Amino acid sequence: KNEVEQSPQNLTAQEGEFITINCSYSVGISALHWLQQHPGGGIVSLFMLSSGKKKHGRLIATINIQEKHSSLHITASHPRDSAVYICAVIRLGAQKLVFGQGTRLTINP
Amino acid sequence: GAVVSQHPSRVICKSGTSVKIECRSLDFQATTMFWYRQFPKQSLMLMATSNEGSKATYEQGVEKDKFLINHASLTLSTLTVTSAHPEDSSFYICSAVLPWGGSLNSYEQYFGPGTRLTVT
Repeated sequence: KNEVEQSPQNLTAQEGEFITINCSYSVGISALHWLQQHPGGGIVSLFMLSSGKKKHGRLIATINIQEKHSSLHITASHPRDSAVYICAVIRLGAQKLVFGQGTRLTINP
Repeated sequence: GAVVSQHPSRVICKSGTSVKIECRSLDFQATTMFWYRQFPKQSLMLMATSNEGSKATYEQGVEKDKFLINHASLTLSTLTVTSAHPEDSSFYICSAVLPWGGSLNSYEQYFGPGTRLTVT
């Protein structure tokens, strides 16, 4: 079993819908990243969380350390949000990221 | 946010030749950089951790003599794929680390735009 599991693996929705992507992990962590990778390949770091909730524009990320779970929400989704969203954690005592398998999101107009 | 550049963005080379990829942190100093590779529709795979002024730490299964890493300054790390073969064709991504909150275990990681290597 992977240390970081994301769900769903693929998600297709209509423009305007509220999107939720989930990430569960099985190890103690110091922080969790949400990353976005567009078809061209470049990766953008959306959030880094160690507790609570962060919001940036239409994106919201939450983390529950006790439950070892994080969610990424997109409000009023738009076709330009179509990308692969990757959850990655930093294990306690380590520097390396451990990646989830990614969620491929497609937003149709 | 901090900016990391990679050069070249795309390279095609012949089998048996060597290719150098540069990773630069443009507006901050990075004592640690990571090199990843990614095959189509797969997640990133960490190849090695590059530390300024010391030898890189390679992940299990990554040949250090084939993938040479040099982190000569606080803003530049290079990955050289030596004697490239078609199976080395992949998307190579670097990231640079900016420590956060005073702890090296909690840090911002900024990714470069990636380099697509095709070996013919």
